[in-house]
Amino acid sequence: DIVMTQSPDSLAVSLGERATINCKSSQSILYSSNNKNYLAWYQQKAGQPPKLLIYWASTRESGVPDRFSGSGSGTDFTLTISGLQAEDVAVYYCQQYFTMPFTFGQGTKLEIK
Amino acid sequence: EVQLVESGGGLVQPGGSLRLSCAASGFTFSSCRMSWVRQAPGKGLEWVASIKEDGSDKYYVNSVKGRFTISRDNANNSLDLQMNSLRAEDTAVYYCARAGVAVPGRVFDYWGQGTLVTVSS
Repeated sequence: DIVMTQSPDSLAVSLGERATINCKSSQSILYSSNNKNYLAWYQQKAGQPPKLLIYWASTRESGVPDRFSGSGSGTDFTLTISGLQAEDVAVYYCQQYFTMPFTFGQGTKLEIK
Repeated sequence: EVQLVESGGGLVQPGGSLRLSCAASGFTFSSCRMSWVRQAPGKGLEWVASIKEDGSDKYYVNSVKGRFTISRDNANNSLDLQMNSLRAEDTAVYYCARAGVAVPGRVFDYWGQGTLVTVSS
């Protein structure tokens, strides 16, 4: 199974500042035939189900604010939230869909400093 | 509006069985792969099972193979998860999720609110 490891486990960022969350896969999730990275990011607010933010490592889901951006390739990926807002407080998960079983990172808890 | 509504959760003894259901609406159910994803209390997300659009193929995480069965009824827009031989480690909120449009079958673009399954004596 592909193991997804996120860092840090938690972070506190001031309003308006940038938050950066990292995700590392135990093997490459870049499919050479289409040059796509099989990685998604989700946001889960307290008491709610997860919400899809980004797929193909950098494609924002419809309706997701452009302050959310994804980057990276191969085994190392980053979710960046530029201009942190209060409503961004949540746990963020990365997920690989390169191969089954689909696996998630352990989550990163984002709080306001 | 896409809606996924789970039901069937509850308290069950170890070794017991439970059947979860998910009622789908607001999209063409028969055109989408569907999945179950669970979250143990205070823990992260774990993909459990997926089923193809026509129900012809089913996929499971190793820890539930032989114990859980995913099924669907496209005529009634419903998804089920039959859970047998339940263990304490199966305790979790179970989410019904559409593995739909963004990346068919692989990325979960809509989720239900979840139903809690507690396995305890």
